[in-house]
Amino acid sequence: KQEVTQIPAALSVPEGENLVLNCSFTDSAIYNLQWFRQDPGKGLTSLLLIQSSQREQTSGRLNASLDKSSGRSTLYIAASQPGDSATYLCAPLRGAGGTSYGKLTFGQGTILTVHP
Amino acid sequence: DTGVSQDPRHKITKRGQNVTFRCDPISEHNRLYWYRQTLGQGPEFLTYFQNEAQLEKSRLLSDRFSAERPKGSFSTLEIQRTEQGDSAMYLCASTAGRTDTQYFGPGTRLTVL
Repeated sequence: KQEVTQIPAALSVPEGENLVLNCSFTDSAIYNLQWFRQDPGKGLTSLLLIQSSQREQTSGRLNASLDKSSGRSTLYIAASQPGDSATYLCAPLRGAGGTSYGKLTFGQGTILTVHP
Repeated sequence: DTGVSQDPRHKITKRGQNVTFRCDPISEHNRLYWYRQTLGQGPEFLTYFQNEAQLEKSRLLSDRFSAERPKGSFSTLEIQRTEQGDSAMYLCASTAGRTDTQYFGPGTRLTVL
């Protein structure tokens, strides 16, 4: 059974700092891994998706890396802004041999607060 | 707005009542998922459909829960005889294609009194 751990559980930083969110997972048989953002009381917004064959994916100020063999992913946020304040969730998608098996398994998330 | 819609957005009900939620996925997406999220936790998988076929159900989905996707379009999730422990946000997601990016709706928040 896949288990996902996110560290730290909460993070408070001043505006402008670069920061790293960590995600570890126990089963390396994954098809891809998604990072999501969730604002309070809202649904999930997909930020980045990394295929199992990729090492890195970038979008604007966000960079996600994946080390499938060690079961780790990181999300790097550059030059943080107050608007980045949200909960960040990572979720590997189960799969093997080029086939996905449907379900995402989520960590508990990292609550990020960026203060002006 | 991801293109996935859910209705209603909020539902308050009394214990023992039945409730039904609806999810409309992005129109060309053939796979649809339901997740449940309680306060302070990440979403947990409940079930998923490929077209109209329900391919997997979590053990979280007790016999009081049923999901359907007639004609492979919208989906409904029904909870019978609701209990206070059913209070949660119910999220729907859809996907298609090889990348399997899942797009989530805004969720339905259920409160059981």
